[in-house]
Amino acid sequence: DAKTTQPPSMDCAEGRAANLPCNHSTISGNEYVYWYRQIHSQGPQYIIHGLKNNETNEMASLIITEDRKSSTLILPHATLRDTAVYYCIVSPIVQGGKLIFGQGTELSVKP
Amino acid sequence: DAGITQSPRHKVTETGTPVTLRCHQTENHRYMYWYRQDPGHGLRLIHYSYGVKDTDKGEVSDGYSVSRSKTEDFLLTLESATSSQTSVYFCAISGGGGNEQFFGPGTRLTVL
Repeated sequence: DAKTTQPPSMDCAEGRAANLPCNHSTISGNEYVYWYRQIHSQGPQYIIHGLKNNETNEMASLIITEDRKSSTLILPHATLRDTAVYYCIVSPIVQGGKLIFGQGTELSVKP
Repeated sequence: DAGITQSPRHKVTETGTPVTLRCHQTENHRYMYWYRQDPGHGLRLIHYSYGVKDTDKGEVSDGYSVSRSKTEDFLLTLESATSSQTSVYFCAISGGGGNEQFFGPGTRLTVL
């Protein structure tokens, strides 16, 4: 499976956009980019995924570069409740596939 | 939120005792997973199931066994618990068209 690289930590001011980068330079053509987050002591939470087009849902936006070697998760108006570890994962397009979690980015949203 | 429960939520046991953790889902999803999470290691897949009585190993399966006799239940058993199995265990389910997995609240297991 392709590996991802994320900064270990980031800070963001409350109310501002949080932009979390992810590098996946060895991604294969059949692999999606997935984002999950884990708020302290809770189970991970699915956020969004995409193949090559930008995606948006009620939680976040996902911007994937044209060459698909990197992506950015955007939380448009971060709140204190968005403080969490964010994981970027690449995984083949297969139902029931396995996810490989890295260390993620610890996002701290500050007042 | 996906209907996933884990039991027990907390357990303290002694080395050498058997332990069974239960994951129960009400979503009728086909795929179920067991992960463990330890400081410095992130989440690691222990075992997974792709249907009733169909299971396979993940990356850290040694010392663990699983069973799935019904769609809704996935059991993780530590036949003889060791201190290295002290961890937080998460169950996840998946059943949609992609790889979206939905996680339970976790079980904190301490082996003394």
